[in-house]
Amino acid sequence: EVQLAESGGGLVQPGGSLRLSCAASGFTFSPYWMGWVRQAPGKGLEWVANISPHGSANPYVDSLKGRFAISRDNAKSSLYLQMNSLRVEDTAVYHCVRWGVNYGIDYWGQGTLVTVSS
Amino acid sequence: QSALTQPASVSGSPGQSITIPCSGSSSDIGSFNHVSWYQHHPGKAPKLMIYEVSNRPSGVSNRFSGSKSVNTASLTISGLQAEDEADYYCMSHTSSDTYVFGTGTKVSVL
Repeated sequence: EVQLAESGGGLVQPGGSLRLSCAASGFTFSPYWMGWVRQAPGKGLEWVANISPHGSANPYVDSLKGRFAISRDNAKSSLYLQMNSLRVEDTAVYHCVRWGVNYGIDYWGQGTLVTVSS
Repeated sequence: QSALTQPASVSGSPGQSITIPCSGSSSDIGSFNHVSWYQHHPGKAPKLMIYEVSNRPSGVSNRFSGSKSVNTASLTISGLQAEDEADYYCMSHTSSDTYVFGTGTKVSVL
């Protein structure tokens, strides 16, 4: 069974940093594109970033370039999101996702809540 | 990249059919057949319902169908059931090699 388990969320002050992790299991991690999708309270889904199987390609939503960095460790079947210079508007549930072969997200983690507040 | 436009809510009676439009542009929906749809029950992980405009993953009911015309994609739910009550989001690949979700539609079964 495919499982994506996020961790690392929590309360952080504006300007602070957090690193989210996603432990993948139940499938061979290395061949898949992976990514992060977030949902702010009461808002819709927002694509954040993707990363290619070997990490060579990693597109981001324009508004987050320079502050967020996605990475992966195929040996550990893990995905990461380093978030710097956090803003109140980054408050959201962050989902780790697996991309299927057909430009759709076929598996989602339950998400980890990031709250940016003073 | 602005979010794709969906109606905030759509409702129907059990057994009826409803259609949710997802309006984009020539830079996203109009450029590719890489449109997918997700069902999201609050508190649960979203579920892929349609990929590449009109394809259903294994296990998804054939009551769900997708289509596209120029810059607008659509999700149709036929034979509406109480369990279909949820939020629905479209998503498209863009010409910048990024992805964009729709604004989301709350489906209510009357």
